[in-house]
Amino acid sequence: EIVLTQSPGTLSLSPGQRATLSCRASQSVSSSYLAWYQQKPGQVPRLLIYAASSRATGIPDRFSGSGSGTDFSLTISRLEPEDFAMYYCQQYGTSPLYSFGQGTKLEIK
Amino acid sequence: EVQLVESGGGLVQPGGSLRLSCAASGFTFTRYWMSWVRQAPGMGLEWVANIKQDGSEKYYVDSVEGRFTISRDNAKTSLYLQMNFLRAEDTAVYYCARDLGKLDYWGQGTLVTVSS
Repeated sequence: EIVLTQSPGTLSLSPGQRATLSCRASQSVSSSYLAWYQQKPGQVPRLLIYAASSRATGIPDRFSGSGSGTDFSLTISRLEPEDFAMYYCQQYGTSPLYSFGQGTKLEIK
Repeated sequence: EVQLVESGGGLVQPGGSLRLSCAASGFTFTRYWMSWVRQAPGMGLEWVANIKQDGSEKYYVDSVEGRFTISRDNAKTSLYLQMNFLRAEDTAVYYCARDLGKLDYWGQGTLVTVSS
């Protein structure tokens, strides 16, 4: 089983700033099969990034993903008020078995 | 428009059973794997199970193996999760999701509460 560890647990930033969230895997993620999701309170998770760096349909280009092997990151270039939320990474390299990270809370400073 | 609508959640006693359903529409159901993902109150996401397009392959997270059974009815474009021997730690919102490895569409979820 691949364990995903996200850091930091909480990130406090202001609108307009750049956010970088990290997701580290306990072993290499095959073919960079890593996805990122955003979840706002009381809402359903939304797919942001898949295959480490591909944006899902309708996702603004201020969201970008990078990384390979065991180290991945999600960057939000300029934070908008609506970007403050929980973010989860998920690996599907061991498909059809999956795992999620524990999440990073992005909060307004 | 892709729609996934879960139902069947509720309050159940420890050791009890519950069957969740997920009605799918707006896409060709038979072309996709489908997954169940859960989220305990105030906690993160946990993948629970998935099923191949024709139902011939099913996979589970270790914590539910032997207690939960995923199934699908392609004629009804529906996904199911039979949950037996429920425990307090199974309390969560259960989401169904379209599964391409990435989970690109999610339902609104149904709450399962296991408590005496």
